Amino acid sequence: QVQLKESGPGLVQPSQTLSLTCTVSGFSLTSYNVHWVRQPPGKGLEWMGRMRYNGDTSYNSALKSRLSISRDTSKNQVFLKMNSLQTDDTGTYYCTREDTRHYFDYWGQGVMVTVSS
Amino acid sequence: DIQMTQSPASLSASPEEIVTITCQASQDIGNWLAWYQQKPGKSPQLLIYSATSLADGIPSRFSGSRSGTQYSLKISRLQVEDTGIYYCLQRYSNPPTFGGGTKLELK
Repeated sequence: QVQLKESGPGLVQPSQTLSLTCTVSGFSLTSYNVHWVRQPPGKGLEWMGRMRYNGDTSYNSALKSRLSISRDTSKNQVFLKMNSLQTDDTGTYYCTREDTRHYFDYWGQGVMVTVSS
Repeated sequence: DIQMTQSPASLSASPEEIVTITCQASQDIGNWLAWYQQKPGKSPQLLIYSATSLADGIPSRFSGSRSGTQYSLKISRLQVEDTGIYYCLQRYSNPPTFGGGTKLELK
């Protein structure tokens, strides 16, 4: 069955770099797009960026200067790196699959990231 | 970017009532709209896609409609398990944008 699972550090210091991994199973990264979405505590959902099935990427313009998404298809993993973290980057980070109808059908459980010294 | 204005921000209703949540798009997005339900501590779950199509496994008491650039999610015969936060999402153009959310509580 389709599964996505985020992993990464729960605590990051301000100005440091966040590195997250989304490990997928049940589908191929060369057939489906995978997106990253984040959610500050008690707030709404924000789209961050996308890894397309062909390796192309796109980013939220508000984050583009700090954000990088990559992948390793042999390991079924999509990576997120974001630098210069600040306290307002605190939140839950999700990876989600884009289905053939272009909606987000499967989501990971999310990983909570706290930016604090 | 396309703005999705969702209302109300919160509502409280009784079991078996009918509730409606709306999203207003800042421009034409056709039927490129989805609705999600998020329960506390959980990831969002797809309810409705393409404005009116019910996602797999979702009860038929959930329905979506469109009038121009206004989209509605209707929940008929509200159940206790429908408590949560509901979000709309537009997929007409990049970047994908979400509505601000509607918190639904049961009385």
